[in-house]
Amino acid sequence: DIKLTQSPSSLSASVGDRVTITCRASQSISRYVNWYHQQPGRAPTVLIYAATSLEGGVPSRFNGSGSGTDFTLTISGLQPEDLGGYFCQQTYRTPWTFGQGTKVGIK
Amino acid sequence: QVQLQQWGAGLLKPSETLSLTCVVSGGSFSDYYWSWLRQSPGKGLEWFGEINHSGSATYNPSLKSRVTISVDSSKNHFSLKLTSMTAADTAVYYCARVRRADYYYYMDVWGSGTTVTVSS
Repeated sequence: DIKLTQSPSSLSASVGDRVTITCRASQSISRYVNWYHQQPGRAPTVLIYAATSLEGGVPSRFNGSGSGTDFTLTISGLQPEDLGGYFCQQTYRTPWTFGQGTKVGIK
Repeated sequence: QVQLQQWGAGLLKPSETLSLTCVVSGGSFSDYYWSWLRQSPGKGLEWFGEINHSGSATYNPSLKSRVTISVDSSKNHFSLKLTSMTAADTAVYYCARVRRADYYYYMDVWGSGTTVTVSS
């Protein structure tokens, strides 16, 4: 299985800060990476698909980049509703797998 | 607005079989694939597999011996069965729609989740 490793595992930032989360794959997966956000007690929602494409309705402060093995999710201007877990997922090869998650808190 | 409503037993005893169903409303059933996943503190998010409206399914090999995903297109629903449940299967279980953009796949609509606890 393809392993995804996220860093950091948790972070705390202030409203308005720029936040960066990274996801590293155990092998090259082209651009087959998606990013999800999960608010506490809720189901995940997709933010970014195909590494860089913003899902409809998602605020433009979310940006995805990368290809191959290294991927980044950037939040430009953190908002209070952005707290929660962030997960990367690969759909390059089944079984589809997820990173272990990054927990984002608001200072 | 597509909605996925899921239901099933939330408390099971060891060795029992989990049965969950997810009903799709407000959108096309036949144009998409449909997935089951779970989330636990110990294992994070785990993908069981996916199925289309005609019953063509792909499974996660690590769970394949215990998992059956089925579909009833006449009722716009799909189901998950997981046999021989143990405490390690305690998790929140989700159904989700798989969207395909060119050759890229992602889960764009999720059910609200079912908390499943396995305890004697």
